[in-house]
Amino acid sequence: GAVVSQHPSRVICKSGTSVKIECRSLDFQATTMFWYRQFPKQSLMLMATSNEGSKATYEQGVEKDKFLINHASLTLSTLTVTSAHPEDSSFYICSAIDRRGGSVRNEQFFGPGTRLTVL
Amino acid sequence: DQQVKQNSPSLSVQEGRISILNCDYTNSMFDYFLWYKKYPAEGPTFLISISSIKDKNEDGRFTVFLNKSAKHLSLHIVPSQPGDSAVYFCAAIPFSSGSARQLTFGSGTQLTVLP
Repeated sequence: GAVVSQHPSRVICKSGTSVKIECRSLDFQATTMFWYRQFPKQSLMLMATSNEGSKATYEQGVEKDKFLINHASLTLSTLTVTSAHPEDSSFYICSAIDRRGGSVRNEQFFGPGTRLTVL
Repeated sequence: DQQVKQNSPSLSVQEGRISILNCDYTNSMFDYFLWYKKYPAEGPTFLISISSIKDKNEDGRFTVFLNKSAKHLSLHIVPSQPGDSAVYFCAAIPFSSGSARQLTFGSGTQLTVLP
């Protein structure tokens, strides 16, 4: 089946530092990857849509200069949280769409998530 | 403004009984609905879906019902098993001509199946 990995699974950093989170599709090529953020007991909120070889599309209210997204290849997208602050602490999840398409029901495959804690 | 709402944050059910998880939506442009299951520290995994042209879809122990006029869907799990204990997210996709269709998630319902 389609597998999406994220690295690291959890990270603790000091306020003001930058953190990079990687999202990889392991056994398929992903034309599109999504980045979500989840606060405790809340829904997954879409942050941005990342298309290979082009600029990411950010949702309203998401600062593109703070959350840098790079989709350099068909199997890798990275999210960099720049100058992280405690309010950026959250669970970040990526998902990927198989470029071969297929049924909508299996369109997005989710990674296991990254727990970011900013001290 | 939450377009997809799961008003029950938690639900406890006895093993073997039916679990019913509810979801309401407000955006009439949604035409495809999905349920995901999520364990702690893991990403969501797809469970079952339904298109707006149907009112019921069944897959083993899982059945999703859609009431378009009420903008309401529900997930029925019967019989419930302890391994079903997880957070269940309802998600919706709007009608779109694009190939990458964005999911809008509800806030989730924690299901606990008691042995």
